[in-house]
Amino acid sequence: DQQVKQNSPSLSVQEGRISILNCDYTNSMFDYFLWYKKYPAEGPTFLISISSIKDKNEDGRFTVFLNKSAKHLSLHIVPSQPGDSAVYFCAASGNYGGSQGNLIFGKGTKLSVKP
Amino acid sequence: NAGVMQNPRHLVRRRGQEARLRCSPMKGHSHVYWYRQLPEEGLKFMVYLQKENIIDESGMPKERFSAEFPKEGPSILRIQQVVRGDSAAYFCATSSSYEQYFGPGTRLTVT
Repeated sequence: DQQVKQNSPSLSVQEGRISILNCDYTNSMFDYFLWYKKYPAEGPTFLISISSIKDKNEDGRFTVFLNKSAKHLSLHIVPSQPGDSAVYFCAASGNYGGSQGNLIFGKGTKLSVKP
Repeated sequence: NAGVMQNPRHLVRRRGQEARLRCSPMKGHSHVYWYRQLPEEGLKFMVYLQKENIIDESGMPKERFSAEFPKEGPSILRIQQVVRGDSAAYFCATSSSYEQYFGPGTRLTVT
């Protein structure tokens, strides 16, 4: 039973264009959401997060949008750069029955940004 | 990833041997989480520890796996009598709040 779903295993985007990565969740008790970026043979790197009391958080080229009613969040990267090519993981946390801080991860979306 | 140390980076064990994975948190972080990533999968939570205490081990297999975070020294994930299915990347993360910062991982291969 997957509580955090990233339905697109891969995404290819042209350099300079917008990349939109999507994530859906099922547990309404999640109250904090994070995006991580991962290169091969490295650990995940924290990118950006959003609390459930907000619907948008922006940090440079990265913006996360949260739609609580739809249980959906998305990460926008604009403009996309070849160095953004990596696997992106969506993660959720909160007082859902697990310990506070225990992250539930999606399976990831592999982003390829072509020059 | 800066600051979270994991060693070894690669570990090869034969079936039946023991594997010990170490994680040194970022300075000032007292929360340690262990995750496992199987090929083509996301990271799966295993255990959450604070100094000398296991807070949540709901993701740990019932047998052969144990974890500790002593008062002094790194956190250790111990796998006894390893089997081929234990082959995976094991990541630890540390935090002082909601954001968790991950180490580079230990890739365990069981032959």
